[in-house]
Amino acid sequence: GEDVEQSLFLSVREGDSSVINCTYTDSSSTYLYWYKQEPGAGLQLLTYIFSNMDMKQDQRLTVLLNKKDKHLSLRIADTQTGDSAIYFCAESHSSASKIIFGSGTRLSIRP
Amino acid sequence: DTGVSQNPRHKITKRGQNVTFRCDPISEHNRLYWYRQTLGQGPEFLTYFQNEAQLEKSRLLSDRFSAERPKGSFSTLEIQRTEQGDSAMYLCASSGPAGENTGELFFGEGSRLTVL
Repeated sequence: GEDVEQSLFLSVREGDSSVINCTYTDSSSTYLYWYKQEPGAGLQLLTYIFSNMDMKQDQRLTVLLNKKDKHLSLRIADTQTGDSAIYFCAESHSSASKIIFGSGTRLSIRP
Repeated sequence: DTGVSQNPRHKITKRGQNVTFRCDPISEHNRLYWYRQTLGQGPEFLTYFQNEAQLEKSRLLSDRFSAERPKGSFSTLEIQRTEQGDSAMYLCASSGPAGENTGELFFGEGSRLTVL
């Protein structure tokens, strides 16, 4: 079956690194995504990784994939107040199929 | 093009009434998706289209829900005989040639349904 799980809340201090974790069940997942939803706004793709990769870095963002354990993480370096949002882990079999989302992790930043 | 557009943004209806939502995708996008999101949850897949063909429909979707995309452009989602459990945000997303290598979805801001 298809299931994506992630913890509901994360609180970090401004300037620290945030690490949001996700597990998925479908071993045939080919694309893994992190979407961001800010208050009152639609979801936007933050970054993605193919299942044949184990790491992807994009400026302050680092995505790690452990395919054996079906574990995905998103690290945000130097977390800022503008990073406050809900972060959704998601997976799909191909670029043309449906995307299955997790329940989202609400990231809050404390001063 | 300003992105994916959904109408109405908010609909309040009485239980038992029918409601219809419209989604206008980004013009060059051939794939269109409908999701439902409730408070504290992630988007739940409902159905998706490639051009005018409905390729998949969630098993969780009751027969009261129907979606169309008659000309491969805009889409409508109709809910018949609404129930209070249908109250949710209905999200539309589209994807197309630019996302063929990544599957990136572009989401609208959603249509919020409140069933009294």
